[in-house]
Amino acid sequence: EVQLVESGGGLVQPGGSLRLSCAASGFTFSSYAMTWVRQAPGKGLEWVSAISGSGGNTYYADSVKGRFTTSRDNSKNTLYLQMNSLRAEDTAVYYCAKHESSSGWIYDYWGQGTLVTVSS
Amino acid sequence: QLVLTQSPSASASLGASVKLTCTLSSGQSSYAIAWYQQQPEKGPRYLMKLNSDGSHSKGDGIPDRFSGSSSGAERYLTISSLQSEDEADYYCQTWGTGIGVFGGGTKLTVL
Repeated sequence: EVQLVESGGGLVQPGGSLRLSCAASGFTFSSYAMTWVRQAPGKGLEWVSAISGSGGNTYYADSVKGRFTTSRDNSKNTLYLQMNSLRAEDTAVYYCAKHESSSGWIYDYWGQGTLVTVSS
Repeated sequence: QLVLTQSPSASASLGASVKLTCTLSSGQSSYAIAWYQQQPEKGPRYLMKLNSDGSHSKGDGIPDRFSGSSSGAERYLTISSLQSEDEADYYCQTWGTGIGVFGGGTKLTVL
């Protein structure tokens, strides 16, 4: 059974940093690209970042480029999102999602999310 | 620019059918999309991949009540025999080179 469990969310002041983790199980982690998606309170889904299975390629939304860094440790089956220079508009539930193998950027399994609140 | 447009809301009666629409931006009518369901206070759930020719492949455990179809730049999600648990937000999503894009979502109310 595929499982994705996010952690690391919490309350942080504007300008601060936070690192999210996503622990994966039930599939060969290194074989799949992974994505971060966020959802601000009461709003829709927003794609944030993606990373290839090897970790060699990363992609970012313009809204987070230069501030967020996605990485992965395939030996630990864990995905990370390092968030720096946080702003109030980064407040959201952050989900990690697994890419389906060969159908483009489609996300067939999702975690339950972790809430990040940026506020003073 | 890759944009997906969805109506903000839809409603239908228990046991009836409903057809939700996702419209691709101009010039992108050949793109495949995915549909996701998000029930209240839950994470999104993958429903299906939908190609421009209307062929689709569903996620694990998705009931036959959920189906997809396409016409030009429009992608549809049809839910038949509506049940109370189908009341949720539904999102379409596609991708370009190095970017993922979601539609704004449709809130489905089951009357």
